[in-house]
Amino acid sequence: DSGVTQTPKHLITATGQRVTLRCSPRSGDLSVYWYQQSLDQGLQFLIQYYNGEERAKGNILERFSAQQFPDLHSELNLSSLELGDSALYFCASSAGTSGVSDTQYFGPGTRLTVL
Amino acid sequence: GQNIDQPTEMTATEGAIVQINCTYQTSGFNGLFWYQQHAGEAPTFLSYNVLDGLEEKGRFSSFLSRSKGYSYLLLKELQMKDSASYLCAVYSGAGSYQLTFGKGTKLSVIP
Repeated sequence: DSGVTQTPKHLITATGQRVTLRCSPRSGDLSVYWYQQSLDQGLQFLIQYYNGEERAKGNILERFSAQQFPDLHSELNLSSLELGDSALYFCASSAGTSGVSDTQYFGPGTRLTVL
Repeated sequence: GQNIDQPTEMTATEGAIVQINCTYQTSGFNGLFWYQQHAGEAPTFLSYNVLDGLEEKGRFSSFLSRSKGYSYLLLKELQMKDSASYLCAVYSGAGSYQLTFGKGTKLSVIP
């Protein structure tokens, strides 16, 4: 158990809908990262927040957005869902203090299925 | 751009030793991570290298050569539970906290 929690574990929805994925980082970690993992792709970095502020952005679609709240939990919002958005979405957290040795610990993931 | 290459699949026998290679070409380099991921589960941290050389951790070791853009993960005394994907990931760019992952190597351990 990494100490990172994600809800829900599974989500099934229809095209065009909007969903929210939630992540709670390990106690004391200030950074939260979101990743997408599809069958044919590796882990794709989406976005990072550090202590409430956006720190880095990867290949995140405009239909997707995220935020980190004062209690450091984070939410990833996916809207106008398409079939191709079906994937595993992982959240990771790190202390986010020293950069280069900042190990990321992953949550169990949310499996999103868009029908 | 970032490019990280790993073999797609490997098979090895229980009790044997296997080496999983990773080559990278990135715009910068601040460290290399190895993660293990069982199917449908979260990646779990295995090792971290920032300097050249070998880091040993029990049955797992990781090697880095920055001049060659090359790393490998060595797994000894293979067990059936080692069947998983092994992901190589690079921190690149000064001040960037962004990890770029390879597509992973799926290791199958057979009796």
